[in-house]
Amino acid sequence: AQSVTQPDIHITVSEGASLELRCNYSYGATPYLFWYVQSPGQGLQLLLKYFSGDTLVQGIKGFEAEFKRSQSSFNLRKPSVHWSDAAEYFCAVGAAAGNKLTFGGGTRVLVKP
Amino acid sequence: DAEITQSPRHKITETGRQVTLACHQTWNHNNMFWYRQDLGHGLRLIHYSYGVHDTNKGEVSDGYSVSRSNTEDLPLTLESAASSQTSVYFCASSPRRNTEAFFGQGTRLTVV
Repeated sequence: AQSVTQPDIHITVSEGASLELRCNYSYGATPYLFWYVQSPGQGLQLLLKYFSGDTLVQGIKGFEAEFKRSQSSFNLRKPSVHWSDAAEYFCAVGAAAGNKLTFGGGTRVLVKP
Repeated sequence: DAEITQSPRHKITETGRQVTLACHQTWNHNNMFWYRQDLGHGLRLIHYSYGVHDTNKGEVSDGYSVSRSNTEDLPLTLESAASSQTSVYFCASSPRRNTEAFFGQGTRLTVV
């Protein structure tokens, strides 16, 4: 069965500092990987996705993620965070036979001024 | 613009009552999904559908049912609401397999 682990429940970062959110997955076949962001009281917005090809993926809002098959990881990064990046971030893996998703538990990001 | 809408946005119901949460999308997507979000668990799949008259159980389907009579709608029914079903429910849709899903704004359900 597929699974996703986000080891960090909360991360606090200063505005302007870099951010890295960890994601480890377990999946038997080629994974389809996603990062979503959820602002308070809102739905989920797709930040980026990896299906195949270049292992460094660029997304919206200045985010990027790197797929490392050997480490079963898909970590999300941003060089310089803005106060508006405070939100909850979810990593997810899609099944090869369809796109039902398995989500990690989420990482809540707080941004200090 | 095409969109996916959930209704109601907030609902309070009593234990034992039947509750139906609506999900409507105007993208003509074949695939639709229901997830519940609980603290520490992320989102967990309840039911999903790959087309009209197709429904499948997800990870946490006990106590829930869905039906797909047309492309646009996938209502989620709680047959007899329990306090353990207090949660935020998200509907999602996607155009085909192996692509991203688009999420609704969520329904916050409280069972008292």
